[in-house]
Amino acid sequence: KAGVTQTPRYLIKTRGQQVTLSCSPISGHRSVSWYQQTPGQGLQFLFEYFSETQRNKGNFPGRFSGRQFSNSRSEMNVSTLELGDSALYLCASSFGLAGAGANVLTFGAGSRLTVL
Amino acid sequence: AQKVTQAQTEISVVEKEDVTLDCVYETRDTTYYLFWYKQPPSGELVFLIRRNSFDEQNEISGRYSWNFQKSTSSFNFTITASQVVDSAVYFCALSGQSRDDKIIFGKGTRLHILP
Repeated sequence: KAGVTQTPRYLIKTRGQQVTLSCSPISGHRSVSWYQQTPGQGLQFLFEYFSETQRNKGNFPGRFSGRQFSNSRSEMNVSTLELGDSALYLCASSFGLAGAGANVLTFGAGSRLTVL
Repeated sequence: AQKVTQAQTEISVVEKEDVTLDCVYETRDTTYYLFWYKQPPSGELVFLIRRNSFDEQNEISGRYSWNFQKSTSSFNFTITASQVVDSAVYFCALSGQSRDDKIIFGKGTRLHILP
């Protein structure tokens, strides 16, 4: 059973550019949630998608957006990159909604974004 | 509001010592779930354990054990006879049962096992 796949694993961008990250969940999982991890802030929840609909959203500016496709694959986009956006972006998939009940999250290895 | 506190930011112990990672949570729900995840240097968080609020039995899995105490709202994790491979960041997390709930993670505890 394939795990959660995130691409690209590493990328370097400059301020003002935009970036798109991709996440392929475990087959059969309908929920994909995204997290930003930085040394000082820990894991910060970005948003969660379930059956192509955004179900929950964290406290991030509108520059951060996402979407989910009919095959449950998800993308997140960050526009007008800032230095502070440098982080490890993790996605996780689960069968049901991440925050509802006993659903276990399966994480990808992350996409490490560096903004220069 | 739900909250998870991992007061220990970083811990270093010598190999073979026992170590306990603390997790304190806040919730108004009567039904909730607690989790521990491990993040090794590779970056991928790995699920370790899940507990629901109605099951206060402690659990042991090899060198790992978990102590769930509702009276103190704590869900602590102990590694016995630590090994270098246990070096990682450990996250405690809390979820509710509502479809609108988010899973809440603590800030994590970075554990260094020194050879």
